[in-house]
Amino acid sequence: DVKVTQSSRYLVKRTGEKVFLECVQDMDHENMFWYRQDPGLGLRLIYFSYDVKMKEKGDIPEGYSVSREKKERFSLILESASTNQTSMYLCASSSPRQGLGYTFGSGTRLTVV
Amino acid sequence: GQQLNQSPQSMFIQEGEDVSMNCTSSSIFNTWLWYKQDPGEGPVLLIALYKAGELTSNGRLTAQFGITRKDSFLNISASIPSDVGIYFCAGREGAQKLVFGQGTRLTINP
Repeated sequence: DVKVTQSSRYLVKRTGEKVFLECVQDMDHENMFWYRQDPGLGLRLIYFSYDVKMKEKGDIPEGYSVSREKKERFSLILESASTNQTSMYLCASSSPRQGLGYTFGSGTRLTVV
Repeated sequence: GQQLNQSPQSMFIQEGEDVSMNCTSSSIFNTWLWYKQDPGEGPVLLIALYKAGELTSNGRLTAQFGITRKDSFLNISASIPSDVGIYFCAGREGAQKLVFGQGTRLTINP
């Protein structure tokens, strides 16, 4: 069963902490994405990557950075967590070889206090 | 980035009723997709549409790609309790990037 795995389902962090959200996929997908999900706002793209060591800003990159050192792993980094970054974070992957659909992880619900 | 306008934002229906939701955009898309998110999970692809005017079914679900390429709708017939969740439309922007609607939260009273 193909999977996108996010390392934590729930996370509570303090304001100012550096936070790492990890995502691993086992489908050999080239593309990986990080979204945040907030009620009434849908899914908003933070960063994406089409290849190892490659990254591009999405619609709301401020306050975030990413790392893709290996094809299967895409990390989202909150350099200094703030309360307005409390949200559900979803990782997804896709491949042009397998159509346009994304495979999503189960999400990480992050609370910044 | 652009966003899709999805409506309604929420629906409260009785079990057995039909459901209809839609998505509109100010821009043309070449592909429309519909996803469903169960509580506590990530979204899962339901239907993909690749041609203007295309009508595609997946069990009790039917989706259409609008002829102007700026809209799409999803219908669910004879709703059942497991249809509960959030439904998202998505349009393809560029080669591999999707842009999502705000979601429609479906609640079903048994």
